[in-house]
Amino acid sequence: ETGVTQTPRHLVMGMTNKKSLKCEQHLGHNAMYWYKQSAKKPLELMFVYSLEERVENNSVPSRFSPECPNSSHLFLHLHTLQPEDSALYLCASSQDSSQGEEGSPLHFGNGTRLTVT
Amino acid sequence: GNSVTQMEGPVTLSEEAFLTINCTYTATGYPSLFWYVQYPGEGLQLLLKATKADDKGSNKGFEATYRKETTSFHLEKGSVQVSDSAVYFCALPGGSGGSNYKLTFGKGTLLTVNP
Repeated sequence: ETGVTQTPRHLVMGMTNKKSLKCEQHLGHNAMYWYKQSAKKPLELMFVYSLEERVENNSVPSRFSPECPNSSHLFLHLHTLQPEDSALYLCASSQDSSQGEEGSPLHFGNGTRLTVT
Repeated sequence: GNSVTQMEGPVTLSEEAFLTINCTYTATGYPSLFWYVQYPGEGLQLLLKATKADDKGSNKGFEATYRKETTSFHLEKGSVQVSDSAVYFCALPGGSGGSNYKLTFGKGTLLTVNP
């Protein structure tokens, strides 16, 4: 039990499909993140939500649409994806501090392995 | 912004061998430093951390010392086991763009330990 639960664990979708990835954290954290992990590439931060507001969007294509309805849940809505979007999508949470102080370390889920055909 | 450079792998060792994975950093001030580990089929999990210079983080037989003189945070273990096979990531807060809570990760080092 990691405290951060991602569903589904595996997803295969065609380029014309619409699907959503779900993340839930049970740690009482106030910040949530989506990362993309591709083979032989560094971890890419996609989106950050702090106190349910999106605070960072790292030039991610619009075919990825995040949603954070509350501090415990985070979604990533997918539509018209490309084969190069196939990757492991990791959700993480942390306790974000204000005033420029460091927050807590990130806690990750086990990821959703996405394959776009 | 802060950045980290990590030794690229893969690293293959025999059981009970000594492990070192190098990590150097560039940072404003003295942020906390972290090592994360990713076992096959799982997400990343925090392995150890050090919050100030000369601190030593340790967990599961792994150690890393925060050395400001050499701006390094090398990961070491005296005797690796097959179960240590995983990808190891060095990380620190405050990547490019100045977000203090955001971690910047190294590229990861794949460790394989053979029996």
